[in-house]
Amino acid sequence: QKEVEQNSGPLSVPEGAIASLNCTYSDRVSQSFFWYRQYSGKSPELIMSIYSNGDKEDGRFTAQLNKASQYVSLLIRDSQPSDSATYLCAVGRTGNEKLTFGTGTRLTIIP
Amino acid sequence: ETGVTQSPTHLIKTRGQQVTLRCSSQSGHNTVSWYQQALGQGPQFIFQYYREEENGRGNFPPRFSGLQFPNYSSELNVNALELDDSALYLCASSLRTGVGYGYTFGSGTRLTVV
Repeated sequence: QKEVEQNSGPLSVPEGAIASLNCTYSDRVSQSFFWYRQYSGKSPELIMSIYSNGDKEDGRFTAQLNKASQYVSLLIRDSQPSDSATYLCAVGRTGNEKLTFGTGTRLTIIP
Repeated sequence: ETGVTQSPTHLIKTRGQQVTLRCSSQSGHNTVSWYQQALGQGPQFIFQYYREEENGRGNFPPRFSGLQFPNYSSELNVNALELDDSALYLCASSLRTGVGYGYTFGSGTRLTVV
């Protein structure tokens, strides 16, 4: 079992719709959860962080965390073509220096 | 306030050679982490430096080594390059150790080993 699992996609979503990206993790003591966006040929950009169960909203982005189910998700509302990218889920443990990344989900917004 | 800068942007090396990649931390950040991202994969943790000392290492062989300088800039050295070392190498700086604060990555160095 991979430590952090994501559906590699591609996930195609019409412009203006909600894109839903999912991530599961295996380490139950994980405490920090992040979503990064990576455009082709570029480095990852941090877009959301979440630490507690529930939802966290920032503009068009909502991160959702369920520690009991070991599940993290990212919702993108009113999807725009500029949202087309690979989205990486990353998980960390407090006191551990590394982030563990999934392989990413490639999202394409269709105009 | 400047962000994280990495150099060079791209380079091509021959198998068996040695390479040094450089990273300048974001102003005020005393911790630097290095990651390797192979094509189609997520970044993999190589190691982290805090105040010039190695502060955690991933599952990479000893031919991957690093340094952090008093100004908190850092180098990643890879000896005896192998074809599988071809990847995007990412440097991230943060204000303190641990992963609770998220990372800001530099633009990366694309290494091709032929």
